[in-house]
Amino acid sequence: KNEVEQSPQNLTAQEGEFITINCSYSVGISALHWLQQHPGGGIVSLFMLSSGKKKHGRLIATINIQEKHSSLHITASHPRDSAVYICAANTGNQFYFGTGTSLTVIP
Amino acid sequence: ETGVTQTPRHLVMGMTNKKSLKCEQHLGHNAMYWYKQSAKKPLELMFVYNFKEQTENNSVPSRFSPECPNSSHLFLHLHTLQPEDSALYLCASSHARGAGGDTQYFGPGTRLTVL
Repeated sequence: KNEVEQSPQNLTAQEGEFITINCSYSVGISALHWLQQHPGGGIVSLFMLSSGKKKHGRLIATINIQEKHSSLHITASHPRDSAVYICAANTGNQFYFGTGTSLTVIP
Repeated sequence: ETGVTQTPRHLVMGMTNKKSLKCEQHLGHNAMYWYKQSAKKPLELMFVYNFKEQTENNSVPSRFSPECPNSSHLFLHLHTLQPEDSALYLCASSHARGAGGDTQYFGPGTRLTVL
């Protein structure tokens, strides 16, 4: 069993829809990261959070430390949001990665 | 642009070839990482260098040999690879390893195919 589990694995949405991607982890963390990987491979770090909630544009990330759960929300989704979203748990010594959620936003 | 570059972007090699992947970061970071990403699997951390010293080697076969001549450059030397080594190899950098919660900046990756 992977230390980090994401759901769903694949997600297709219509442009404009509100999207939620979930991440559950089983290790103690110093921070939880959300990454975005576009076709072609490049990875961009979206958020690093250790408590509460962060917002950047149309993206919102939340974390519940007690429940070991984090969510990534995308409001008013757009085709350019199509990518793989990866959750990563940082224990301070090591990163554990989820397998990613592949998001496709249809115009 | 994340400030981390990788070359080449694509590489096809035979099992008897020797090749090298290169990573360069222009962010003033002191920690650099090699990751392997295979289809349908989580990112796998291969090596970590902190201030040019290798601090982690996650049971990587010896056919992969890293080199970190300075804090800005990281190489992955490849020899006698197997077809199952075909994957996307990603380099990343961050402020010093062990900073707890440090954000990593990733390069675009090298798509490696071993024939």
